[in-house]
Formats: sequence, structure tokens, C-alpha cells
Amino acid sequence: DAKTTQPPSMDCAEGRAANLPCNHSTISGNEYVYWYRQIHSQGPQYIIHGLKNNETNEMASLIITEDRKSSTLILPHATLRDTAVYYCIVRPVRNDMRFGAGTRLTVKP
Amino acid sequence: DGGITQSPKYLFRKEGQNVTLSCEQNLNHDAMYWYRQDPGQGLRLIYYSQIVNDFQKGDIAEGYSVSREKKESFPLTVTSAQKNPTAFYLCASSGQGFGFGEAFFGQGTRLTVV
Repeated sequence: DAKTTQPPSMDCAEGRAANLPCNHSTISGNEYVYWYRQIHSQGPQYIIHGLKNNETNEMASLIITEDRKSSTLILPHATLRDTAVYYCIVRPVRNDMRFGAGTRLTVKP
Repeated sequence: DGGITQSPKYLFRKEGQNVTLSCEQNLNHDAMYWYRQDPGQGLRLIYYSQIVNDFQKGDIAEGYSVSREKKESFPLTVTSAQKNPTAFYLCASSGQGFGFGEAFFGQGTRLTVV
């Protein structure tokens, strides 16, 4: 199974873009990259997902490198409410969705 | 409203007792999952089910059991064999097929064994 590696923590200034990296060097051709976030003591919330093309929605943008070995989640204008743990996961065909430790993003005023 | 519901939100049990956590979804999702989360840690997969009457062990299935008799329901039983059951338990559901779509999570059950 493809594993993901994320930095344990990051800080970002309020109003600035938050760029959260994820390495998934063993990803297979049919595996999607998903991002979720978890605000303290709540269930994780879906953010975005992609296969090979860059994706954008109302919450964030996802940039996947051409070789698909890494990706970056971009929160264009971070707010204090974006403080959370962000999880990057790779979903295999058999659909056993596994999470790593994630990146704890702290947005500071 | 469509969604996934876990109950109860808080649960207290005495050591040695089995306890069942409820998870219900009305999203018509085929796949359902159970995770355990300890303080300051990520989510660990306990069991998952891709279809009714079928389920697979995750990474920490020992001391837990599940059933999937209905598409909407995926209850988790924490048995007395689970050595350290106090934790935050999360249930999720998602679609099937390539891409799968987003997974929806419940708000969790915080189990405390005394």
C-alpha cells in the first residue's frame, strides 16, 4: 500500500496561503490522493481529492506533481478556523482507507 | 438530512464489560469504516466493510468485532479482550469504485472504561 509522509506540524500567518506538503512516492497509477482535516474532537472533514490533475474547490487547491510522488494542499487565505490536523491519504482499489499522523497546522493572528 | 450518525457521544463502561457502539448512515454508501483515535494520535483502522454481509480487519482488530447485516448500519462491539479500550471511536462511510468520492465521518463516540 502506498504510504504518505507529512511534516508533523506547520505554522501559518492569518491571511497568508498555507501550503501543506505530502509525499507518496509508492503511489500506484489508479490510486487517488485525498485530503481531510480534523478540528479538535470532531470527525474528519473531506477537503479535496485528485488523481493526476490539479484540482480546486471552494476550500482549497490540490497540486499533484507530474510523477505523482508528492502533492501540496493549498489553503489560499488561511483563517484561524483553519487550525486543524490535516491528513493526506492514498486510497487503494480495495478501499481500506488508512490515515497517518497528519500535519498539525496552526494559523496565527 | 443525509449523514452518518454515531451514538452515544459519550459512553462509560466498567472494565470487563462488552459495549456496542452504533453507526448509522442514510447516504446509500456501500463502504463503512471504524477507526480508533488516542489522544494526540492519528486515526487507526479497526474494521471496514465494502458491502453488506462482508467486512475486513484493519490494523488493530484484536478485541473488537463488527457486523454488517444492513447497508445502513455497522455497529462496533468493544469486547473485554480489548486491553485498553478507552479511546475516541470514529465511524465513516463512502462510495465504491475508482475515486470513491469523499468519505463522511460521524462525530465520534468517546468511550471511557473504568
